[in-house]
Amino acid sequence: EADIYQTPRYLVIGTGKKITLECSQTMGHDKMYWYQQDPGMELHLIHYSYGVNSTEKGDLSSESTVSRIRTEHFPLTLESARPSHTSQYLCATRGGHNSPLHFGNGTRLTVT
Amino acid sequence: RKEVEQDPGPFNVPEGATVAFNCTYSNSASQSFFWYRQDCRKEPKLLMSVYSSGNEDGRFTAQLNRASQYISLLIRDSKLSDSATYLCVVGNNAGNMLTFGGGTRLMVKP
Repeated sequence: EADIYQTPRYLVIGTGKKITLECSQTMGHDKMYWYQQDPGMELHLIHYSYGVNSTEKGDLSSESTVSRIRTEHFPLTLESARPSHTSQYLCATRGGHNSPLHFGNGTRLTVT
Repeated sequence: RKEVEQDPGPFNVPEGATVAFNCTYSNSASQSFFWYRQDCRKEPKLLMSVYSSGNEDGRFTAQLNRASQYISLLIRDSKLSDSATYLCVVGNNAGNMLTFGGGTRLMVKP
């Protein structure tokens, strides 16, 4: 059933490393989103895109960056990981005007 | 005031009980409404969209009250497997942004 894929599922990395979290979808959806969620806490929108070459920052300030060169891919990059970046990162897509979000299964990031 | 508000719970109910959650939203021009279910450490999954006339899917019934700006979710005959966090999601009138409530935690006990 999964049409949206996130890799890696789990990542443990040292402080200062550069990392890219991958998100791919096969549904042809224009709208894509990145959310950050700590355990037991609310989802926070950190980036979104309405199509190729369109990227915007979300409600929560984030040191990450995103790109949207192709419809299918919406990678998120942290240039220099810090322990405060430890969290779960969820990618989602959305089709039509009033359609629901479809989530990937997330990347759980731990920065030591 | 938050744009989308939910009682965080937890709601502790016995198996077989009926339980209802409400979710209020502040933007009267909101156009789309959804309930998601999220299990611990997993991604949110769509439970059901909420339509103006109300809709039912098995043991789950969703209602929209535009006048009072809230949506509700009713779960009948609760199962242990219904234990999860239920997220209310509201879409704006431009159709491009969705706002999540903080979630309501449900614990169904044997």
